[in-house]
Amino acid sequence: RKEVEQDPGPFNVPEGATVAFNCTYSNSASQSFFWYRQDCRKEPKLLMSVYSSGNEDGRFTAQLNRASQYISLLIRDSKLSDSATYLCVETGGSNYKLTFGKGTLLTVNP
Amino acid sequence: DTGVSQNPRHKITKRGQNVTFRCDPISEHNRLYWYRQTLGQGPEFLTYFQNEAQLEKSRLLSDRFSAERPKGSFSTLEIQRTEQGDSAMYLCASSLVGLAGDSFFGPGTRLTVL
Repeated sequence: RKEVEQDPGPFNVPEGATVAFNCTYSNSASQSFFWYRQDCRKEPKLLMSVYSSGNEDGRFTAQLNRASQYISLLIRDSKLSDSATYLCVETGGSNYKLTFGKGTLLTVNP
Repeated sequence: DTGVSQNPRHKITKRGQNVTFRCDPISEHNRLYWYRQTLGQGPEFLTYFQNEAQLEKSRLLSDRFSAERPKGSFSTLEIQRTEQGDSAMYLCASSLVGLAGDSFFGPGTRLTVL
């Protein structure tokens, strides 16, 4: 079983739609979780950290369920500029190594 | 530009040749990481440095791969006797200690082995 598994996608949604990505992780010792965004042919960039209490940043909401080892990202009122690959990331039991999922490609259409 | 830089951006080489990539991290970051990304996959951890010390190497890093960070600033990744399976994007990232999740990635070096 892969350490981090994501919805395979791709997701094609119209502007203004709400879209949710899900991710599961296998290492119960994982401490820290993140969502990164990667534009086509660009480097990954941190989108947001994921906290047990859930956290929100504008149109983006991240949730963590430690009991189910499940992470989610919700994007509301999606924009054309949200089109990218979204990578689910965890650090396992380390504080240095990022373990990435395969990513989910989102395309927001006009 | 105060971000992470990598050189070259693209490298095409023939199988069996040696290649070397360079990464210049954000200057105040004491941790530097190398990752490899192939098409349709997320980045995979290869190795990391804290200052000049190389503290972990993934089992993905065969003995043909070597990385250095001699003065705790820039780093080089060398691949000897390249194979077609080495074709990938090689990403460098840097962070402060304890903040791996807030890693800043460079633009990557895309290696094509013919």
